[in-house]
Amino acid sequence: AQKITQTQPGMFVQEKEAVTLDCTYDTSDPSYGLFWYKQPSSGEMIFLIYQGSYDQQNATEGRYSLNFQKARKSANLVISASQLGDSAMYFCAMRDTSYDKVIFGPGTSLSVIP
Amino acid sequence: NAGVTQTPKFQVLKTGQSMTLQCAQDMNHEYMSWYRQDPGMGLRLIHYSVGAGITDQGEVPNGYNVSRSTTEDFPLRLLSAAPSQTSVYFCASSYRLGHEQYFGPGTRLTVT
Repeated sequence: AQKITQTQPGMFVQEKEAVTLDCTYDTSDPSYGLFWYKQPSSGEMIFLIYQGSYDQQNATEGRYSLNFQKARKSANLVISASQLGDSAMYFCAMRDTSYDKVIFGPGTSLSVIP
Repeated sequence: NAGVTQTPKFQVLKTGQSMTLQCAQDMNHEYMSWYRQDPGMGLRLIHYSVGAGITDQGEVPNGYNVSRSTTEDFPLRLLSAAPSQTSVYFCASSYRLGHEQYFGPGTRLTVT
């Protein structure tokens, strides 16, 4: 069965520093996709970045990059040059082609300290 | 484009009451889904639909029904509300399964 694990319930980072948010997943399907979403305190869900299991390169979107290690089944989100506005909950999610579903991990709360 | 809209934003129900949470999207997306969000548990998938007329169960479907008679609308019905259904409910849509999902603003439901 699919499963997403985010082992860091809360993280702190100094403004302008980089931070890595961990995500590990479990699937038996060779074809899958991984997503990261951000949820600020206002409550909306914002898509950040996507990585396909067959993508040759790690995904990047501005200050967000994905450290994809397929053999370890990990897809960690790296945020460079943290800003105060990055303080939010971050969710890792996965879809595999065996199931017509996208499931989410429990999330990591990130606080950026000035 | 309004994107994904959800109504109501807030609702209080008594145990045993039924209600429908509305969700609509104007992006002609095939895939729609309902999640509930509870503290410490992330978003859990309730039901989803890969197109009009097709629905299936997610991780936590008990106590909820859905239908998808049109591409645009995907209502979620609570059959007989229970306090365990107190949660924030999100509707989401994507062009197809595997594409990024667009989320509605959420409905905060309290069952007393």
